[in-house]
Amino acid sequence: ETGVTQTPRHLVMGMTNKKSLKCEQHLGHNAMYWYKQSAKKPLELMFVYNFKEQTENNSVPSRFSPECPNSSHLFLHLHTLQPEDSALYLCASSPGARGDTEAFFGQGTRLTVV
Amino acid sequence: GNSVTQMEGPVTLSEEAFLTINCTYTATGYPSLFWYVQYPGEGLQLLLKATKADDKGSNKGFEATYRKETTSFHLEKGSVQVSDSAVYFCALSRDNYGQNFVFGPGTRLSVLP
Repeated sequence: ETGVTQTPRHLVMGMTNKKSLKCEQHLGHNAMYWYKQSAKKPLELMFVYNFKEQTENNSVPSRFSPECPNSSHLFLHLHTLQPEDSALYLCASSPGARGDTEAFFGQGTRLTVV
Repeated sequence: GNSVTQMEGPVTLSEEAFLTINCTYTATGYPSLFWYVQYPGEGLQLLLKATKADDKGSNKGFEATYRKETTSFHLEKGSVQVSDSAVYFCALSRDNYGQNFVFGPGTRLSVLP
């Protein structure tokens, strides 16, 4: 148990569907992240939230829409996805304060777009 | 910009063999350095870290030393086990606020009995 929980663990969706991924952390952290992990590609940072404010968007297509209602919860809203969006989506959190801190990861949501 | 380079593997070893996975980085300032491990079907778990030059991180028999002069953070283990089979990621944090991590591409390790 890492303290970061992602739901669902697996998701299959059609290209016209709308779905959401959820991430919750109980570590008291202030920074939260979405990463995409595709086969044979490096881990890609998608979004960063710090104290509920989005501080980074790495040129992610608008069919991915993040939401951070509070420091403990992070969502990734999905709509009109493409098959190449199939991947493992990882959520992470970190204290977001100065110091030698590391990121804590959830177990990921395995997304398949059909 | 900031980046991390590591041998991509796959690396295949016999049980009790010595392991080295090379990692070098490019960064402005003084990043913290990390090794993460990912077991099949799981997220990434922190394996060890080092926050300043010459620091040695260690955990579960794994070690890595922060070498500023060679900008390296190589992962080593003296005797690997089958249960060490996983993907290993070298990473740095881009600032001293523990945020904005940059990850290497990962190295897949397979340990055979």
